[in-house]
Amino acid sequence: DQQVKQNSPSLSVQEGRISILNCDYTNSMFDYFLWYKKYPAEGPTFLISISSIKDKNEDGRFTVFLNKSAKHLSLHIVPSQPGDSAVYFCAASLNTNAGKSTFGDGTTLTVKP
Amino acid sequence: NAGVMQNPRHLVRRRGQEARLRCSPMKGHSHVYWYRQLPEEGLKFMVYLQKENIIDESGMPKERFSAEFPKEGPSILRIQQVVRGDSAAYFCASSPLGQPSYNEQFFGPGTRLTVL
Repeated sequence: DQQVKQNSPSLSVQEGRISILNCDYTNSMFDYFLWYKKYPAEGPTFLISISSIKDKNEDGRFTVFLNKSAKHLSLHIVPSQPGDSAVYFCAASLNTNAGKSTFGDGTTLTVKP
Repeated sequence: NAGVMQNPRHLVRRRGQEARLRCSPMKGHSHVYWYRQLPEEGLKFMVYLQKENIIDESGMPKERFSAEFPKEGPSILRIQQVVRGDSAAYFCASSPLGQPSYNEQFFGPGTRLTVL
């Protein structure tokens, strides 16, 4: 039973265009969502997060949108840069679970120059 | 301020041997999480520890796997009698607090275990 799903294993976009990465979850009790970025042979690094009480959070080129009724969140990267090429993981957590995160399987983003 | 450190970065074991993976959290962090990533999959939670305590081991296989975070020294993930299916990348993460959930976790570079 996978509670966090990233249905697109890969995404390819042109430099300068928008990248949209999607994530769906099944547990309506999740109250915090995070995006991590991972380069090969490295550990994931935190990118941006959003609380369930919000529907949007923005940080520079990165914006995360949350649609609680649809149990869906998305990460927008505008404009995309070649250095953004990496695997992006969506993660969700429950406040009562003391920070334990449930991860999706990741989406590999390739930004072409 | 050094990040989360894991060693070894690569570990090769033969079936039946023991694997010991070490994790030193960031300075000032007292909460450690272990995750496993199988090829082409996401990170799967294994265990959450505080100093000298296992808080949540719901993701840990019932046999052969154990974890500790002693008062002094790194956190250790031990896998006894390894099998080929244990081959994976094992990531350790730390955070300053376990709660609330919006604390981001800081990940180490991972240990890649290969079982021959």
